[in-house]
Parts: sequence; structure tokens; C-alpha cells
Amino acid sequence: QLQLQESGPGLVKPSETLSLTCSVSGGSISSSSDYWGWIRQPPGKGLEWIGSIYYSGTTYYNPFLGSRVTVSLDTAKNELSLKLTSLTAADTADYYCARNPPNSGFRFDSWGQGILVTVSP
Amino acid sequence: QSALTQPASVSGSPGQSITISCTGTSSDVGGTTYVSWYRQYPGKAPKLIMHDVSNRPSGVSNRFSGAKSGNTASLTISGLQAEDEADYYCSSYTSHTTLVFGGGTKLTVL
Repeated sequence: QLQLQESGPGLVKPSETLSLTCSVSGGSISSSSDYWGWIRQPPGKGLEWIGSIYYSGTTYYNPFLGSRVTVSLDTAKNELSLKLTSLTAADTADYYCARNPPNSGFRFDSWGQGILVTVSP
Repeated sequence: QSALTQPASVSGSPGQSITISCTGTSSDVGGTTYVSWYRQYPGKAPKLIMHDVSNRPSGVSNRFSGAKSGNTASLTISGLQAEDEADYYCSSYTSHTTLVFGGGTKLTVL
């Protein structure tokens, strides 16, 4: 059974860079044709897609976040990562990693439990 | 890209049916079959309950059904149960190879 687990800092200062990791177990991120993605949810608000990455490394990003976002895969560690630069209070949110099955239009069928990241001085 | 439009809240009594709408544009909902629905309980991660407009993942109750007409998708829950009380989100693949979510709908079972 596929399991995903986010990890990273719970508190980050404004203007700094957020780095999150998602450990995947029960499956290999490089041996299938899956996509892997990040989604966030500000407290009390709705879901926002951040970006997705194909197992080959091709990336797709939310244009609203522009060049602030980088999603990558570490096949040796079976992990995916998220980097978000130039943080502001508006980036405070629960951050989830999830799997997109192939040919699914970025639907997410397996999710991590999420990690709360607070941006504050 | 703008979020898809969902009603902020819907409610119904046990045993009744409710429908949640999800309105987008021809660049997303209206132009794709990749419309999905998620259910989220407080403090929990979302769970996929419908994909490709009207397909239920294994294990999801057949009380849930999905449909689409033009730029609007919908999720219907029949035979409402207390456990259905949650937040529901739609999502759609877009013509720009991106994903957009709806703003979410809070379902209250009276």
C-alpha cells in the first residue's frame, strides 16, 4: 500500500525559502509512469494545486506561483521535494504531497497526512 | 487561473439527496473529462471520491455519483448519512496542462 509522508520545518521566516520533502513507501517513484504533486491549503481555506512532476522529471506548475516553485524527485531516496522561495504570510498553509496516476489529468489518489507550515518573523 | 465556483455550503437531512455544483469554463471543466471530487474531514487529508466526471474509486459508496453538463460538473450524494458531513472539493485539468480546484463546499447533515 502506497504511503506518503511530508517532512520539513513548521516555521519559516518571511523572504526565506521553504524546503519540504515527501517520503514515499510501498512503491517506487521511478519505476512507474506516475506523476507526483504538491497541494496546499491555507488555514480555513480551500485547496490550491502547487505543481506536479512526471517520473521522468518533467514538471508542471501553478502559473500563479510562477518561478517561486521547484518540484523535484530524488529517486535514490524515493522522495519528492518542494522548494518555495520568497515566502510571505500568504504561504502559511498545510502542505500535502500526493500521487497522480498516469493519464489521469492530475487527479490525486494517494495523499500524505500534510504538514503545517507557518510563515512568521 | 481562477478557482472553480462551488457553493460555499449545502445541507440536507438524513436520507435525502443533495447536489454540489462546480462551475468552470471551456478551458477547464467544459473541455475535459478529467474532473474529480474530494471529500475532506476536519484535520484530515482530502480523499478522492470521484474521478473522470463519474467514476468512483474502489471502496467509495455508490451513493455518490458525478455528472457534467457544459462547463458545470456536479456531485450528488443520495441517502445522506451523518458521516457525509464534510468539505467537498472539485478539481479540473485545464487546457494549459495545469490543475484547478474549486473553492470547496461545506456539507451539513441536519
